[in-house]
Amino acid sequence: GAVVSQHPSRVICKSGTSVKIECRSLDFQATTMFWYRQFPKQSLMLMATSNEGSKATYEQGVEKDKFLINHASLTLSTLTVTSAHPEDSSFYICSARGRTGLQETQYFGPGTRLLVL
Amino acid sequence: AQTVTQSQPEMSVQEAETVTLSCTYDTSENNYYLFWYKQPPSRQMILVIRQEAYKQQNATENRFSVNFQKAAKSFSLKISDSQLGDTAMYFCAFIIQGAQKLVFGQGTRLTINP
Repeated sequence: GAVVSQHPSRVICKSGTSVKIECRSLDFQATTMFWYRQFPKQSLMLMATSNEGSKATYEQGVEKDKFLINHASLTLSTLTVTSAHPEDSSFYICSARGRTGLQETQYFGPGTRLLVL
Repeated sequence: AQTVTQSQPEMSVQEAETVTLSCTYDTSENNYYLFWYKQPPSRQMILVIRQEAYKQQNATENRFSVNFQKAAKSFSLKISDSQLGDTAMYFCAFIIQGAQKLVFGQGTRLTINP
């Protein structure tokens, strides 16, 4: 199946610093990319949706100035957590939607565990 | 609003048994797609099976099959001959045709015991 990579898989940073997470669709062009946040033992919470070349659409309650999303190409999206604080510690998952064969399907990256000290 | 409900937070069965995970959803739309995703301990989300709402035939993928009841808005997942590697969180999800967002259920934690 289609592959979505995410880097880094784990990051520890100091409070106040910024962290960038990359998401790539490796074998298909992603028409839309998504960023989710997942707390332990909970479902995925959509943070924002982005289409290549346009501004991301953020879900209610998600600070766009804190979680900067750039969707520079059909295969790359980045999430930057600016001035990270301990409450931003979480598991972040990116997802890419594209057409593989006859179907359009959404595939997920392996996730990034962020720990802010 | 579209919602997905998974009424079983946790389930546990013995290896080789058959297990069924429940999922109901709510939408007023007629054209949509349904999915089951698996999230093992690695936390990588994996697509298990998908169903187009316009298809009456239930989707199957090897040991995984669904019971899609459109009128009842029910989409259960049956895992036959369960294996230890099936241990994971299972999320039911759907998306309206033409929409961008997947709507997820809260998940069912499935444990397969040896």
